[in-house]
Amino acid sequence: NAGVTQTPKFQVLKTGQSMTLQCAQDMNHNSMYWYRQDPGMGLRLIYYSASEGTTDKGEVPNGYNVSRLNKREFSLRLESAAPSQTSVYFCASSRGWGTEAFFGQGTRLTVV
Amino acid sequence: DQQVKQNSPSLSVQEGRISILNCDYTNSMFDYFLWYKKYPAEGPTFLISISSIKDKNEDGRFTVFLNKSAKHLSLHIVPSQPGDSAVYFCAASDAGKSTFGDGTTLTVKP
Repeated sequence: NAGVTQTPKFQVLKTGQSMTLQCAQDMNHNSMYWYRQDPGMGLRLIYYSASEGTTDKGEVPNGYNVSRLNKREFSLRLESAAPSQTSVYFCASSRGWGTEAFFGQGTRLTVV
Repeated sequence: DQQVKQNSPSLSVQEGRISILNCDYTNSMFDYFLWYKKYPAEGPTFLISISSIKDKNEDGRFTVFLNKSAKHLSLHIVPSQPGDSAVYFCAASDAGKSTFGDGTTLTVKP
């Protein structure tokens, strides 16, 4: 049982490049989330999908877009990467909206 | 302004003793509170939660206390074990959206 799987685990981008972070869950959860964690700080919500077919902005959405491809998959896209987007990105899912979340292992992204 | 604060960046306790991690919040609309544990290079894992209609929830060695009037919650771990050494995040939820504190690094010494 894989839980929440994120790819890639590590990525280095040049300023201005684009990329998509992939996330899939196999727990049949309704809600999915993307967070970022900067050093010494807590997790900040970027975007979320309360249920399949819906997405909404979180606390720090600027510079990102998301797609809820189906119930299992929720991707995060950086259209034009900036050094300020250097962070660790976590995808999470939960059975219901706002209930305890299950997290992936994270993607460590460096923008140079 | 930070709505969820964990004022102690670190805590060190002896194995077998009690660990008490604290969390304060400012938003009175928060109605659900959660604690997560995080090991290095891993994602957070859920530990325990409490609804705003309760003041205590217990699960094995872990107990969460909620004091709504003080806007304060705490996580008690008894007895503490070396494997509990990790970063602990509290999170508070308003209409389903969770806000996280910055975390407290707990070190349990053998």
